[in-house]
Order: sequence, then C-alpha cells, then structure tokens
Amino acid sequence: QKEVEQNSGPLSVPEGAIASLNCTYSDRGSQSFFWYRQYSGKSPELIMFIYSNGDKEDGRFTAQLNKASQYVSLLIRDSQPSDSATYLCAVRSNTGKLIFGQGTTLQVKP
Amino acid sequence: DAGITQSPRHKVTETGTPVTLRCHQTENHRYMYWYRQDPGHGLRLIHYSYGVKDTDKGEVSDGYSVSRSKTEDFLLTLESATSSQTSVYFCAISERTSGDYGYTFGSGTRLTVV
Repeated sequence: QKEVEQNSGPLSVPEGAIASLNCTYSDRGSQSFFWYRQYSGKSPELIMFIYSNGDKEDGRFTAQLNKASQYVSLLIRDSQPSDSATYLCAVRSNTGKLIFGQGTTLQVKP
Repeated sequence: DAGITQSPRHKVTETGTPVTLRCHQTENHRYMYWYRQDPGHGLRLIHYSYGVKDTDKGEVSDGYSVSRSKTEDFLLTLESATSSQTSVYFCAISERTSGDYGYTFGSGTRLTVV
C-alpha cells in the first residue's frame, strides 16, 4: 500500500460544476495535509493546508479532512477551465518530510 | 518562483557523463530537497538537507549525490548519467518541518540523457 494514494484520473467535469478530488493516507499519526496544484510543464504550488478534522474554505476551494477514515479531499466549486491541472495531495510524515501522492489530473470542459 | 531558482532549466547530456544541477535560494530556509518527477511515479525524493553539510538520502538516491556548502545552494550530481535518469528535477525549500509549513518548489530542470 502506498503511503499517499490518489486516483490519477483524469477527472473530467463541466465548467461551473463541483470537482471533488480525493486522497487517502496510511499513517494514522499524520497531522498536516497539503494540496498542491501543478499546471502542465510547471512546478507544484501550494493551494491549501489543513490539520483539523472538518472543512477549511478558501475562496472556491474547500479542503476536507477525516482523520478517522484517513482521507483528505479537495472540493473546487464553480470549476473553471483555468482549474485544469494536476492536483497533488501531500501528507507530513513523522520525520517532518512531505509524502506526495501521484496526483489527480482534472479537466474542466467549457 | 520568487526566492528559489534552478539551473539549468533544460539539459541534454550523454550517457556516462557527470551532470550537476543547481538549486539556489534567497529565503535563508534551512531545509532543501531534490525530487524527480516521472509519469506514473509522481514526485520522488532523491536527497534532502537539514542544513549546511547536513544531507541525507531519500527513496531514490542511487546514482545521485548532493552537496550543501552554503545555506543558499544545494547541488545535485548525477555521477554517471543513465537514460533512466531522464526526468524533470525539482528543488524545494521549507522554513520548518512542522505545522503549516509546506514546500516551495523551483521551476524545475528537464534533463534528457541520450
């Protein structure tokens, strides 16, 4: 089992819809969780951080964390074509380093 | 990306030659990382550094070495390049390894070994 797992996709949603990206992790002791966005040919950029169970909202983005079930999700409301990218989930390990999932490719179709 | 630069941006090299990639930061962050990114494998950690002359291996360190003689520079060397090392290499920096301190990535180096 990989430490951080994501469905590679692609996930295709129509413009204006809600995109839901999911991530599961294996280390029950993990405390910090991150979402990165990576456009094709570019470097990953941090878009969300969450450490408490529940929801954290930032504009059109909502991160959700459920430590009991060991999953993290990212919701993108009112999806735009400019949201088309690969989204990487990262979990901080007990060594302090971030462990990355393989990423989910999101395609938002006009 | 502001505060972190990688050089070169692109490089084509021949099998068997040594190659050095440079990561330079102006943020004075203690922690620096080298990753490679390949289709189907995501980001894989090669080496990392917790300070000057303080480095350690990541999950895919074979064939790579690093050096950090100054806080701002972290060098990745491919001792004898092989085709399997064709990849995109990202450097990342972090101020701390706890809490909400994530990584900031450089723009990447696309390396092709022919």
